[in-house]
Amino acid sequence: NAGVTQTPKFRILKIGQSMTLQCAQDMNHNYMYWYRQDPGMGLKLIYYSVGAGITDKGEVPNGYNVSRSTTEDFPLRLELAAPSQTSVYFCASSYSNSPLHFGNGTRLTVT
Amino acid sequence: EDKVVQSPLSLVVHEGDTVTLNCSYEVTNFRSLLWYKQEKKAPTFLFMLTSSGIEKKSGRLSSILDKKELFSILNITATQTGDSAVYLCAVGGGGSNYKLTFGKGTLLTVNP
Repeated sequence: NAGVTQTPKFRILKIGQSMTLQCAQDMNHNYMYWYRQDPGMGLKLIYYSVGAGITDKGEVPNGYNVSRSTTEDFPLRLELAAPSQTSVYFCASSYSNSPLHFGNGTRLTVT
Repeated sequence: EDKVVQSPLSLVVHEGDTVTLNCSYEVTNFRSLLWYKQEKKAPTFLFMLTSSGIEKKSGRLSSILDKKELFSILNITATQTGDSAVYLCAVGGGGSNYKLTFGKGTLLTVNP
C-alpha cells in the first residue's frame, strides 16, 4: 500500500517555465489537496478536490491550476514559474471528516 | 480570517524531560483540531480532537482540547531524541474538517 505518491522529489525551474507536479493515491480517498510549505511557515492550501471532476480554490491559488479526472490522481500545474513559487509542495488525501494523509513532498526551486 | 497560533516556535530539551506544546485558534464554525508530527518529509498524523476536555493518548504523547478557551496542548513525557521534529497544529473550520488552517509549527529538539 503506497499511500500518497508525489513525483518528482526535487525540481529546479527557470523563471517562466511550466511544469506539472504529479500526485497519486491508492487509498480510494475522495478528497485530495495541494499545500505549499515555506520555511518557518505553516502549510497553505492551494487547491482541493472533493471528488473526480470537482476542484476548488484554497487560500493561495494564484499561479496554479489543477484537474481531477480520476479518483486516484490530482496533478498541480504551474504555467509561468516565478521565484515566489519556490517552496515545498505537499499533496494529501482523505475521506471526508478524517485526517489527511500526506505525500513526501516535492521541493521546487525557481531561479 | 481563520488563525492558528502555536507556541513556542522552538524548544530545546534534554532526553527525559516533559514538554508541553500550545496551539490557540480563531476559526469560524470549528469542527476539529489535529496534531501532526513532521520530521524530514511528510507530516504524520498524531491526534484529532473534536470534543472539549477529553484527553487523547498514544504512548508518551497526549493531547486535550478546550473549546471554551480555544486552545489545545500536546504533551510529550520522557522525551527521546526520536521525538525531535516540527509539531504542527491544524484546525478544521467553516463547518468542514477538510479545509485545514495550519499553525507555523513548533520545532522540538531533544538532546541526548
